[in-house]
Amino acid sequence: EDKVVQSPLSLVVHEGDTVTLNCSYEVTNFRSLLWYKQEKKAPTFLFMLTSSGIEKKSGRLSSILDKKELFSILNITATQTGDSAVYLCAVGSRNAGNMLTFGGGTRLMVKP
Amino acid sequence: GAVVSQHPSRVICKSGTSVKIECRSLDFQATTMFWYRQFPKQSLMLMATSNEGSKATYEQGVEKDKFLINHASLTLSTLTVTSAHPEDSSFYICSAPDRGVDYEQYFGPGTRLTVT
Repeated sequence: EDKVVQSPLSLVVHEGDTVTLNCSYEVTNFRSLLWYKQEKKAPTFLFMLTSSGIEKKSGRLSSILDKKELFSILNITATQTGDSAVYLCAVGSRNAGNMLTFGGGTRLMVKP
Repeated sequence: GAVVSQHPSRVICKSGTSVKIECRSLDFQATTMFWYRQFPKQSLMLMATSNEGSKATYEQGVEKDKFLINHASLTLSTLTVTSAHPEDSSFYICSAPDRGVDYEQYFGPGTRLTVT
């Protein structure tokens, strides 16, 4: 059974801090790993990672995948209160069509 | 990016009634759509995979007679919660993968169901 574990479960930081969110996975015939940000409604897409060692970057957010050690990290630098959200990691398998397996999420709170 | 819509965004119904939620892919075709439910402070839990032109595939523990799924066309899937009970109150989200962008999934805005 495919499994995705995120850590920490929750995190409280102050504006300006840098945070690192972790996602480890066990999946048969890995296809891709995706990061989403969820505020009050449905998740919004952040990154999709398919290759090891290639950093994807968007503004203050960046992510990298390690397919040997089966994990990914999501970094947020110079955090702002608007970064407060639940960050979800999901993994897709070539054996499962388009289905994604989601981790439990990391709840990030950024205090002013 | 691709857009997925859901309707209604919020619904309140009485116990015992049925509620239909629609999920549409607006600018791409989706032969597959996924239905999730999410309880407060929990992650997304896949309920079922909706397949255009064939029966839906339900995850273990999800009652297929209670959560009826119909994938009527390449852009529309519906989830009907039949004989709703208060414990069915939840946030229901659909998603659809766009094969044109390597299976990236796009989520609808979600439907908050409250059963009184």
